[in-house]
Parts: sequence; C-alpha cells; structure tokens
Amino acid sequence: DQQVKQNSPSLSVQEGRISILNCDYTNSMFDYFLWYKKYPAEGPTFLISISSIKDKNEDGRFTVFLNKSAKHLSLHIVPSQPGDSAVYFCAASMVGKYIFGTGTRLKVLA
Amino acid sequence: EAQVTQNPRYLITVTGKKLTVTCSQNMNHEYMSWYRQDPGLGLRQIYYSMNVEVTDKGDVPEGYKVSRKEKRNFPLILESPSPNQTSLYFCASSLFWDRETEAFFGQGTRLTVV
Repeated sequence: DQQVKQNSPSLSVQEGRISILNCDYTNSMFDYFLWYKKYPAEGPTFLISISSIKDKNEDGRFTVFLNKSAKHLSLHIVPSQPGDSAVYFCAASMVGKYIFGTGTRLKVLA
Repeated sequence: EAQVTQNPRYLITVTGKKLTVTCSQNMNHEYMSWYRQDPGLGLRQIYYSMNVEVTDKGDVPEGYKVSRKEKRNFPLILESPSPNQTSLYFCASSLFWDRETEAFFGQGTRLTVV
C-alpha cells in the first residue's frame, strides 16, 4: 500500500504560468515533507521542505503548502520556466525513513 | 566540492555473483541512505544510517546489506544478486535526518543482473 501518492504522472504548463504539483499521503506520523527535482541521468536535487507543524514554506519561486487534515501537500512554481521541466518527487520522512511518491513529469512549454 | 560519489556508475553482472556499490560523502553528514528507482515505482528506500554503526531497514531491504564503519562511507552489498535487483540505485546523505535539511544525492548506479 503506497503511503505517498502522486496521482498525476505528467503535467504541461505554459512558460510564465503557475505549476501546481500535488501529493497525498496516508500516514499522519510523518515529520517532514520534501520535494525533489530530477533530470535524466542525474541524481535528485532538493527543492524545498516543510515540517509537519507548518502549513506553508516559501523559497523564491517555490512554495509548498501542507494541509494536514486532508493529508495533502502541493508544490507551486511561479512563474514556471522551461528549465523547470523535470520529474518532481514528493517525499515524506519519519524517524529516518523516507517514502517517495512515484513522481510527476513537468513540462514547461516556451 | 561537496558531493556524494557512487561507484561504479554502470555495472552488468550475473546472477549470484556478489557485488558492492560504494558510496562516499565529503560533507561530514551524519545521515546516509540508499534508494532504488524503478519505472512506475519512484524511489524506494533500501537502507539508511543515522550515524556510524547505526543502520536500519527502509521499505525494500530484502537481498541487500549495508555497513557504516566510518562516517563518510556507506557501501551497498548484494550478496547474491538476482534479475529483480536490476535497477537504478542512488545513495544520498544529509546532515541529520530530523531536520529540514536537504539531502545530496549521488549520480546513480545503473545495475543490470542477467
């Protein structure tokens, strides 16, 4: 049973518009949630994280929102740029254990 | 340069032949972890280590072993590889596990077991 789900395998967005990537989880014991970006032939790179005691964290063009009652988090990218085209993974952590979603491939169209 | 180094980057081996994938970090990180990435399954954690001599199972530990004898190294050992262990493997490290700190990932090791 998958504890972290990314239900959209892919997403296309026009350059300059907002990209919203979604992630759902089932375990309310997770401490932190993180987003990673992955380009082909490279390891994932960290984007942004949020503690379970917060509901929003912002870093430049990236904002992560956490809705604990809905067990849902989202990553907003504003404005989207062609260089943002990559696979995005959300992850949840609990006492050292990390559970990743299956990823969403974002394509930003110029 | 801060980095996580995995070796080898590519490996083709035969069923049952023991192999080790090395992972080394130069950032004095406490936490290290191994993942495998498979199509449609995302990244799945194999083993992790909170600190030297402390290791624990992730989601998919069967068929793997690890050791953490020193802080910088965290090798992944496949005692008897099987074809279902054909995958892309990533090692990662971070300062601590329990803070909002980023994990640094290695470049990956593509393993094929025939």
